[in-house]
Parts: sequence; structure tokens; C-alpha cells
Amino acid sequence: DTGVSQNPRHKITKRGQNVTFRCDPISEHNRLYWYRQTLGQGPEFLTYFQNEAQLEKSRLLSDRFSAERPKGSFSTLEIQRTEQGDSAMYLCASSLEVPDTQYFGPGTRLTVL
Amino acid sequence: AQSVTQPDIHITVSEGASLELRCNYSYGATPYLFWYVQSPGQGLQLLLKYFSGDTLVQGIKGFEAEFKRSQSSFNLRKPSVHWSDAAEYFCAVGASRDTGRRALTFGSGTRLQVQP
Repeated sequence: DTGVSQNPRHKITKRGQNVTFRCDPISEHNRLYWYRQTLGQGPEFLTYFQNEAQLEKSRLLSDRFSAERPKGSFSTLEIQRTEQGDSAMYLCASSLEVPDTQYFGPGTRLTVL
Repeated sequence: AQSVTQPDIHITVSEGASLELRCNYSYGATPYLFWYVQSPGQGLQLLLKYFSGDTLVQGIKGFEAEFKRSQSSFNLRKPSVHWSDAAEYFCAVGASRDTGRRALTFGSGTRLQVQP
């Protein structure tokens, strides 16, 4: 049973560029979550999917952020026109509906120069 | 709104000593509670969880936690710490099944250092 995988593990980009991250959940997990973690802080919730439906979005998810899960399997998180404040670790997690225990991937560390 | 407080930002213990990491939560209903551990540059690994039932829960790596409703606490304990336990520990609260929210709310973490 492979865990949650995320690609890339590291991304360095220049301010104003667009970036896209991918998350592959544990197989058969129908729920998928995105979190953001800045240095010295705990993860903060961004958004959540059940199958392909995006059911909840945080106020942290500005208009520059978009997430998709088109076939209910992998998900992508895109950030348009990146800003230095977007520099963070982006974590993906997945779970079954029952029990609703979230298992996290290794994260993608984004650095915006 | 739910919230989690981890009062200790940084704790140092000697190898072989006992450990207790504190976690207090604020939540209007019966919460789901979790402890995760994070090594530098890595994702979060689940240590243990409380959904219902026995208030003393056992986890991996010899950790346990006790849910105390009257104190709104879910403290993490280990009787004898190993050098490999040095990491950041996060407490999290999730909504119980009777609400629609699925997001976890995390504390700001406690960094554990282990002295030889």
C-alpha cells in the first residue's frame, strides 16, 4: 500500500510565474485535502474534495489559487501570478469517508524569488 | 470556531526520560483528535487518534494520549524518549461526524529536542 505522493518535492520560481503541483492519494481514498504550512506554523487547510467534487474551500484560497480533481483520483493545485508570500510547504492528504483519518504526503516546498 | 493550543513551543528532554506534550482544544461538540509528527522537510505522520470510546489511546512508536473532556485536553505521553523521537509534534482537531466540515485545525506545534 503506497502512501500519498506529491510532485515536485521542491519548486523554485520567480514572482509572477504560474506553478502547478500534483498529488496522488492512497488508492481507493475518495477524500483529498490540500493544506499550506509556513515556517514555524502548523498546516492550514486550503480545500477538500470528495471524489471529483470540491466541497469546501478556505478563505486562504485566493482567486489566484485553483484546485482540481477531474477524475476523482489525483489532484492538481495551481497558483497563478505567484507572490513571495506564497512561499510555503504545500501538503496533500487523503482519507476514506469512514474512518475519516487523514494521511499526509511528503509535501511540495515552494520558494518564490 | 475550533482552535488548538500547544503551549510549549520547544521542549528538551534527556534520552530515556519521560515526555508529555500538552494540547488544549476549543470545539463545540465532541471532537476528533489527532497527534502527528513531522521530521524536518517531511510530511506529517499520524501517531494516534481519538474518535470515541476509551479516553486513553495507544499509538505508534510507544506514544499514548489521554482525552480529558473536562479539561479540553489531549496530551501526548511517552514513558521513555529515544533520540529518534526528536521532531516537531502537532496536535489537531477535526469535526465529528455530525458536522459537515472535514478540515483539520492544527496547533502551532512543539519542537522536541532529545539530549544524549
